Parts: sequence; structure tokens; C-alpha cells
Amino acid sequence: QQPVQSPQAVILREGEDAVINCSSSKALYSVHWYRQKHGEAPVFLMILLKGGEQKGHEKISASFNEKKQQSSLYLTASQLSYSGTYFCGTEGEGFGNEKLTFGTGTRLTIIP
Amino acid sequence: DSGVTQTPKHLITATGQRVTLRCSPRSGDLSVYWYQQSLDQGLQFLIQYYNGEERAKGNILERFSAQQFPDLHSELNLSSLELGDSALYFCASSVAPLASYEQYFGPGTRLTVT
Repeated sequence: QQPVQSPQAVILREGEDAVINCSSSKALYSVHWYRQKHGEAPVFLMILLKGGEQKGHEKISASFNEKKQQSSLYLTASQLSYSGTYFCGTEGEGFGNEKLTFGTGTRLTIIP
Repeated sequence: DSGVTQTPKHLITATGQRVTLRCSPRSGDLSVYWYQQSLDQGLQFLIQYYNGEERAKGNILERFSAQQFPDLHSELNLSSLELGDSALYFCASSVAPLASYEQYFGPGTRLTVT
């Protein structure tokens, strides 16, 4: 099942903050966050694992609520370079579920 | 630059034809993933190989197949192409077979079926 992202799109002024949410209906082992600029490949931002481990860029902040199967990505003091589409990818638990299912994305536009 | 290379960058072909997309992973990465991205479907996982063996399968059509060679490069073969196969095809690589490792995406191959 595809995770649900919200909002679908958001427009911010430079310096403002944003939160992007990702919700799944199944038990998760990990949540990944990627950013894709138009016409380019997705770029890895962060992984959050069940149990609390996180791997990713220092300037990116995210949370993973294992009980609710939800994750949030926090973008603070946004810069023009943050513009793009943000995707969460979820990995289920158990053998045979070690693959990512991506959400439909959240389009973030930063204006000066 | 992620270190993952894909060729060709663009491909235009006709319905019913067969094409091969090629991917070379980052140096040291043993795992290769293939994804399809179309406007209405987002990023769809197709298949994963690890060190030459198929590791996980997603919503890959029977007309599509893939393999990973001893030098770790991978090829995705698409046959009996249909208009709906037009999409951006990405490959990604990671160091380990589990999905809980960061994946590095190549620049993609844009396939247009006419």
C-alpha cells in the first residue's frame, strides 16, 4: 500500500518553516525521505529506522512515530534550494517486504 | 553527481519494440534497484538485484525483465512496448541488499513510446 503524503503542495517564502507528513497503513521498518528537482534524479535526504536510529544529512530533521506508522520531515528557515518534490518511501517489516514503496510526493515551492 | 550512470539518457521507440536500459552502480555498491516514474503513478519499484541475484520484486510486468552481471552493471529489458510504458526509468544503487540503506539514484532514462 502506497503511503499517503500531506500536504500535496506547499508554497513558502524564504525563511519560513514547513512540515511534510507521511502516513502508512502497514507496520513499518524504515522510512526514507528523498527530494527531487524537476528533471533530475531523487536525492537521498534521510532514513529513519524502527528503534530510533537515523541516517542522513545533518541539516535535515525528521521524526518517525512507530506506533502510528507516521513520519514527518521538518524544513526550517527554508532556502530557495529547498524547492522540489519531496517523496517518502516506506519499507515494511518482515521477509519479502524489504523494498521501498513511495508516496505520491509533496511539491514544495520557495519564493523569495 | 551520485556516481550511478545510466544509458541512454533518452530513448524514442515505437509500440511493439524492445529496448534495453543500462545502469552502472556506484563503486562498491552491490545492490541495484529499478524504478519507473510516470506522471500519474509516482516512483514505482520494479525489481532489485544484489550481487548478481534477484532480491526483491515489485510491480514489474511480465514483458519486463532485468539482470545484474558479474561486473555489477544491470540491464532492464522492456519488450512489446506499449504507449503506457512511456516514463522515466531510474536505477539506484546501495551498498547492502536491505531497503534500510540509502539509495543513490542515477540520472534516469526517459523512454517515449510512439
